[in-house]
Amino acid sequence: EAGVVQSPRYKIIEKKQPVAFWCNPISGHNTLYWYRQNLGQGPELLIRYENEEAVDDSQLPKDRFSAERLKGVDSTLKIQPAELGDSAVYLCASSLGTSGLYNEQFFGPGTRLTVL
Amino acid sequence: AQSVTQLGSHVSVSEGALVLLRCNYSSSVPPYLFWYVQYPNQGLQLLLKYTTGATLVKGINGFEAEFKKSETSFHLTKPSAHMSDAAEYFCAVSSRGGGNKLTFGTGTQLKVEL
Repeated sequence: EAGVVQSPRYKIIEKKQPVAFWCNPISGHNTLYWYRQNLGQGPELLIRYENEEAVDDSQLPKDRFSAERLKGVDSTLKIQPAELGDSAVYLCASSLGTSGLYNEQFFGPGTRLTVL
Repeated sequence: AQSVTQLGSHVSVSEGALVLLRCNYSSSVPPYLFWYVQYPNQGLQLLLKYTTGATLVKGINGFEAEFKKSETSFHLTKPSAHMSDAAEYFCAVSSRGGGNKLTFGTGTQLKVEL
């Protein structure tokens, strides 16, 4: 069974440029998460989707970040324009659901973003 | 609000020695507790989780953790370290009914020496 797929794995851009990250969750997983992991820190949730609905985007900086999961499967996270402080690893995770039996989150390898 | 504190950002042990990684949490409701491992340039992999029932939880690769409500702790242990255990370990908490939002600690880098 394929795990969570993310692309690209690495991205280097100049500040003020746009950037997009793509995530394909594990087949059948209804819940999808985007996390940001700064250097030396644990991941922090940016947004959570239940199918195609964003049910928790309280930590997403909406002035420059946007996300979509149009068909309830794969998802795209966009930053426009990027700032130096956006340099981080962006992790995508998925789970069958959110209740106790189904809440294990499976993580992709992440996209390492460097903003110059 | 919930939070996680991992004591010791770096832990070094000898191969074959006991591994003990400390985690304390704060949560207003009974939490779910998790330990994840992250190898360089990889995503996080679940080692074990506590949801309910037995407070001693066994995970993969010989790791286990014990939920101690009175101490609000969920320390991770392994009786005998192996070189392949060198990685970064994250403790995380989520609240029941909280939409499965994970709050992570800052991580502990485990080094295993010969």
